[in-house]
Amino acid sequence: SQQGEEDPQALSIQEGENATMNCSYKTSINNLQWYRQNSGRGLVHLILIRSNEREKHSGRLRVTLDTSKKSSSLLITASRAADTASYFCATDLSNYQLIWGAGTKLIIKP
Amino acid sequence: GAVVSQHPSRVICKSGTSVKIECRSLDFQATTMFWYRQFPKQSLMLMATSNEGSKATYEQGVEKDKFLINHASLTLSTLTVTSAHPEDSSFYICSAPETGLAKNIQYFGAGTRLSVL
Repeated sequence: SQQGEEDPQALSIQEGENATMNCSYKTSINNLQWYRQNSGRGLVHLILIRSNEREKHSGRLRVTLDTSKKSSSLLITASRAADTASYFCATDLSNYQLIWGAGTKLIIKP
Repeated sequence: GAVVSQHPSRVICKSGTSVKIECRSLDFQATTMFWYRQFPKQSLMLMATSNEGSKATYEQGVEKDKFLINHASLTLSTLTVTSAHPEDSSFYICSAPETGLAKNIQYFGAGTRLSVL
């Protein structure tokens, strides 16, 4: 059920730096979401951006959406060790099903 | 936000036994729930869509007789791995969508780590 590609697959940065993850998708969307997964846990919804929006902010998170390029990016500013997790983008089908990207594993080094 | 409870969090069983995993929406009704399987360092693989009051919809390649899904109420879906074998060992996660305001935000259980010996 994957249609999204995410890059990088893994990202390791120093605490305090900004982390940027990218997601590309293949079909038209209603919205795009980003989720976070701590190791061995379920996923947690972070932010949703609608197809008619170009940018959205939530705390230290900034999401952009370019529907012409079928791509989105997630920026985490001033990263913290607690941000270490895997991040997934997801786009929706009409039956509430989500199509998931491959994920980016983010490691924040203290 | 909405809460989904998944139980058990971890189970170790012998080959040939059956294992039941429960997924409950605690503060909202979920006519639809999703069951995923996740292999190490990989994304979520949708196994099936659980529909309250009707049969589950299975993804291609997922054996419905192997992975039994029952969605008996608006707050509970169960996944039973029948006659489990070591290759069934994996991380299983459920989710339920909250579809208010025309959004489709998924709320996830904490996952179940299944180890079949």
